[in-house]
Amino acid sequence: DTGVSQDPRHKITKRGQNVTFRCDPISEHNRLYWYRQTLGQGPEFLTYFQNEAQLEKSRLLSDRFSAERPKGSFSTLEIQRTEQGDSAMYLCASSLPVDEQYFGPGTRLTVT
Amino acid sequence: AQSVTQLDSHVSVSEGTPVLLRCNYSSSYSPSLFWYVQHPNKGLQLLLKYTSAATLVKGINGFEAEFKKSETSFHLTKPSAHMSDAAEYFCVVSLGYIPTFGRGTSLIVHP
Repeated sequence: DTGVSQDPRHKITKRGQNVTFRCDPISEHNRLYWYRQTLGQGPEFLTYFQNEAQLEKSRLLSDRFSAERPKGSFSTLEIQRTEQGDSAMYLCASSLPVDEQYFGPGTRLTVT
Repeated sequence: AQSVTQLDSHVSVSEGTPVLLRCNYSSSYSPSLFWYVQHPNKGLQLLLKYTSAATLVKGINGFEAEFKKSETSFHLTKPSAHMSDAAEYFCVVSLGYIPTFGRGTSLIVHP
């Protein structure tokens, strides 16, 4: 296992379309996190899973954002009815309990 | 509640000179503190972490940071900068499982 992977690396979509991003964590990590990073800012926490349970989702930016981790392995982040303000880098990270997070390379979303 | 302030948006040094990246935090309880580095087009990488053990923490690539509770600071230092250190650096405070990232400090290294 070479680390956290994310797919796609880049996504260009038109305003109003739905997009879905995938994250595959390090295999033995039971915690998975999603972040958004905009230009010139640090990553902003969005949501967090422990195994398949989503333990924190109040930081999701709006009800257009949702995330799943159906079998406690990979996770998806969906944005419905995209807006230009959703353009950003979306980062995924995984960890063991009480341990540092390992980040994936990110998915760069551009909404035109 | 927790917050983190990186005091400099940009730091410029010459190769071979010391590096100081400043970070102040605010937290209701004793937090965990981290420094991450982000090179262009690469993922975030952990440099070092403080989790209430030794106050001087050594990390990778010659970096270290000192936790000073009285000053609520966690500054990152390196004795001698290398060209490959040019990157974005993030200070992170975490209480529980929700980390808060600073806005980042861009380290520029001149030859």
